[in-house]
Amino acid sequence: GAVVSQHPSWVICKSGTSVKIECRSLDFQATTMFWYRQFPKQSLMLMATSNEGSKATYEQGVEKDKFLINHASLTLSTLTVTSAHPEDSSFYICSARVRGSYEQYFGPGTRLTVT
Amino acid sequence: TQLLEQSPQFLSIQEGENLTVYCNSSSVFSSLQWYRQEPGEGPVLLVTVVTGGEVKKLKRLTFQFGDARKDSSLHITAAQPGDTGLYLCAGTWWAGNKLTFGGGTRVLVKP
Repeated sequence: GAVVSQHPSWVICKSGTSVKIECRSLDFQATTMFWYRQFPKQSLMLMATSNEGSKATYEQGVEKDKFLINHASLTLSTLTVTSAHPEDSSFYICSARVRGSYEQYFGPGTRLTVT
Repeated sequence: TQLLEQSPQFLSIQEGENLTVYCNSSSVFSSLQWYRQEPGEGPVLLVTVVTGGEVKKLKRLTFQFGDARKDSSLHITAAQPGDTGLYLCAGTWWAGNKLTFGGGTRVLVKP
């Protein structure tokens, strides 16, 4: 149980284009999903918190117009990186949490490379 | 700002040795989780602790939550090369709150 998937697992795109990453909870309903960014050999940095049916809450310093988050259902959240630039290249990881639970379950991550 | 400090940042040991990783904060946690992450993958939840003084064991891994719920430790007995990875502690300050991660401890167990 508690499986979270991400798609795609890796993507290469050209500078200026947009990329969408999907995060799905496969065997439970996730009232809250989180998006993280991780640089090599570093810990996870929270980008935003997304609750089903409402607007995402972004962490300080994260551009909400650049990183669009949608949480349309209890099993799916998407992160769209708009007008991507090489500095957006990173490992993006989502997580999902059941209502009222402390624990978060993480997806396998998406490696984004912007050329 | 509520911060989690992990130490050490990096640990290299020989197979069979023991190791301990620490996670500390000046704030009281409502819960603390330990994760293990391998390169190119997402973190995998190892344990959740919520009660001050709590000790949980997972095979050769022992997790302890401080009495004041401000610190935690992960102890690995007789480490194996398969224990190699990035160990992350993460805390919440109330149920439903976001996780705040420590800086991580990179563990390398040499055969």
